[in-house]
Amino acid sequence: GIQVEQSPPDLILQEGANSTLRCNFSDSVNNLQWFHQNPWGQLINLFYIPSGTKQNGRLSATTVATERYSLLYISSSQTTDSGVYFCAVGPNFGNEKLTFGTGTRLTIIP
Amino acid sequence: ETGVTQTPRHLVMGMTNKKSLKCEQHLGHNAMYWYKQSAKKPLELMFVYNFKEQTENNSVPSRFSPECPNSSHLFLHLHTLQPEDSALYLCASSQDLTGAGDTQYFGPGTRLTVL
Repeated sequence: GIQVEQSPPDLILQEGANSTLRCNFSDSVNNLQWFHQNPWGQLINLFYIPSGTKQNGRLSATTVATERYSLLYISSSQTTDSGVYFCAVGPNFGNEKLTFGTGTRLTIIP
Repeated sequence: ETGVTQTPRHLVMGMTNKKSLKCEQHLGHNAMYWYKQSAKKPLELMFVYNFKEQTENNSVPSRFSPECPNSSHLFLHLHTLQPEDSALYLCASSQDLTGAGDTQYFGPGTRLTVL
C-alpha cells in the first residue's frame, strides 16, 4: 500500500514563530488532507489539497503531486496551534482508504 | 463542532464485558468510518460503510462488530476485548467514499480502557 512519512516527528517553538511541516508519499494520489488533532483527541480537517496551494488565515498548504510531497505552513504560531498534525492520502486508483502518516507533534511555548 | 458526535467519550471495561460505541453524523453524508488510534501509531482504518453497506473490513478481529442501521448512525459493538484494544476510537463521515476526493469529518472519539 501507499506509504506516508511526516517530518519532523516533534517540533517545539516559541509563540510567534513560523513552521513548516512536511508530508512525503510513495505513490500518486487523488486525495490529500491535512488534519489537526487537539490535546483532547478531536481531529479537525484543515485542508483538502491533492495539488496546488491553499491558504486559510495563518495556515497555508502546498502539494506538489508530481514530486509526491505536501507542505503545511503555520505562521505566527499561537499556543492553540499545539497538537498533532496529520497528513492523510488516498491513492489514484483502487479503494476508498485514507492512509495516515504518523504525525508531527507541535508544541508552542508561550 | 464537526457535525459528528460520539458517545460515550470515555469507557472503562473489563475483558468479559459487552459494550457499544455510538456515532451519529448530522451532515447528510453517505459514508461512515471507524478508526483506531493507539499510542505512537498512525490511525488505523477498521471499517467503512457506504449507504449502510459495509465496504471495508480491514482485518479487524471479530470481537469488534460494527452496525450501521442507517446513513446517520454507526455503532461498534465490543465483547471479550483484550488490554491491547485500549485506544482512542474515532468515527468519521464523508459525503461519499473518500477515494472520490471527499473530505472526512471526525467525531471527538471514545477513549477506551480495557482492564
